[in-house]
Amino acid sequence: AQSVSQHNHHVILSEAASLELGCNYSYGGTVNLFWYVQYPGQHLQLLLKYFSGDPLVKGIKGFEAEFIKSKFSFNLRKPSVQWSDTAEYFCAVNALDNNNDMRFGAGTRLTVKP
Amino acid sequence: DGGITQSPKYLFRKEGQNVTLSCEQNLNHDAMYWYRQDPGQGLRLIYYSQIVNDFQKGDIAEGYSVSREKKESFPLTVTSAQKNPTAFYLCASSMRIKNIQYFGAGTRLSVL
Repeated sequence: AQSVSQHNHHVILSEAASLELGCNYSYGGTVNLFWYVQYPGQHLQLLLKYFSGDPLVKGIKGFEAEFIKSKFSFNLRKPSVQWSDTAEYFCAVNALDNNNDMRFGAGTRLTVKP
Repeated sequence: DGGITQSPKYLFRKEGQNVTLSCEQNLNHDAMYWYRQDPGQGLRLIYYSQIVNDFQKGDIAEGYSVSREKKESFPLTVTSAQKNPTAFYLCASSMRIKNIQYFGAGTRLSVL
């Protein structure tokens, strides 16, 4: 079965610092890739997605992610974080030729200090 | 409002008791999912259904059961066979293509 690894369990940053959260997956076939975010007390919601085309995708609130197929990675970035970015972030991989199998990473908790 | 409604928000189970978590969606999505969220383990798939009257086991289906009699509804029963049911349960739905999943607010289940 495929798996998704998020390297950082908890990241603490000061406001205006740059952010990069790692995500690697094990599946070798065609994939759709997602980052979801769970703000405190809120629903899990989609941050950004990659289906095809430009491997650099932009999402809401200034986030972006880059799909590097050769590295099986889909890292999330933001140049300057804000206190309101404090949340838990989940990477997810959908294996299109494996019965549409969807796997989530363990999540990375981001704390941004004001 | 369109979306996914999970109820109740909090649920307590006694030893030996079965409990049912409700999930309703009005997004006209074909596929629905149940996940279990534990700290440090992300979301683990319990069951999913891609069409009415059909459902498949996920990675941790033991001790759980589901039904999909209507497109809008996908209730999850946590049976007495589930020995460690304390967790946060999330329901999601998606169109079958693309599989962008939309999530409910979750149900937190605790054992008395």
